[in-house]
Amino acid sequence: SAVISQKPSRDICQRGTSLTIQCQVDSQVTMMFWYRQQPGQSLTLIATANQGSEATYESGFVIDKFPISRPNLTFSTLTVSNMSPEDSSIYLCSVEGQSDEQYFGPGTRLTVT
Amino acid sequence: AQRVTQPEKLLSVFKGAPVELKCNYSYSGSPELFWYVQYSRQRLQLLLRHISRESIKGFTADLNKGETSFHLKKPFAQEEDSAMYYCALASSGGYQKVTFGIGTKLQVIP
Repeated sequence: SAVISQKPSRDICQRGTSLTIQCQVDSQVTMMFWYRQQPGQSLTLIATANQGSEATYESGFVIDKFPISRPNLTFSTLTVSNMSPEDSSIYLCSVEGQSDEQYFGPGTRLTVT
Repeated sequence: AQRVTQPEKLLSVFKGAPVELKCNYSYSGSPELFWYVQYSRQRLQLLLRHISRESIKGFTADLNKGETSFHLKKPFAQEEDSAMYYCALASSGGYQKVTFGIGTKLQVIP
């Protein structure tokens, strides 16, 4: 199993600003995933980040709003840009295990005021 | 499109009572199904997967393709089972996407 850490664990931000969330894995992985969990909702996949290529975004998510970096096989960042209160969510990164299971980070709780 | 439905947002049972958390899915291919659990103040973690047909912490789940269901069961609930439970479906094929249900909060009453 992989051990994943995220920074920050939580933040309160003003609308119009941007926040970058970091995700660090203790082993090299091909794909990293970013999810959003809005209050009372399920986890929704934002994008898949492969090292050395552009991230693949799911329907409803765009690179301008959620730029992702993947500089190496153990690290990724997700930026939430030009934030509004609707972006208040928990943001999770995850990696895939050998049997297609997901290992999750602890999440970043974002509140936009 | 793939979809996972968990009809109950909250399920309350007494300690020692049987538990069944419902999960239905919609997927045209051959699905891989999982149950994830999140205990209070802990991260989301894998509980079990259908392909391994295992029992974890007394929980089992059987894939019923005819009913497109993957219900999670435990014969005797324990207080420590209180948590959020998410059913998830992973698509098969080259590009894998995981779809999660909305989650069911299990509350075991002492």
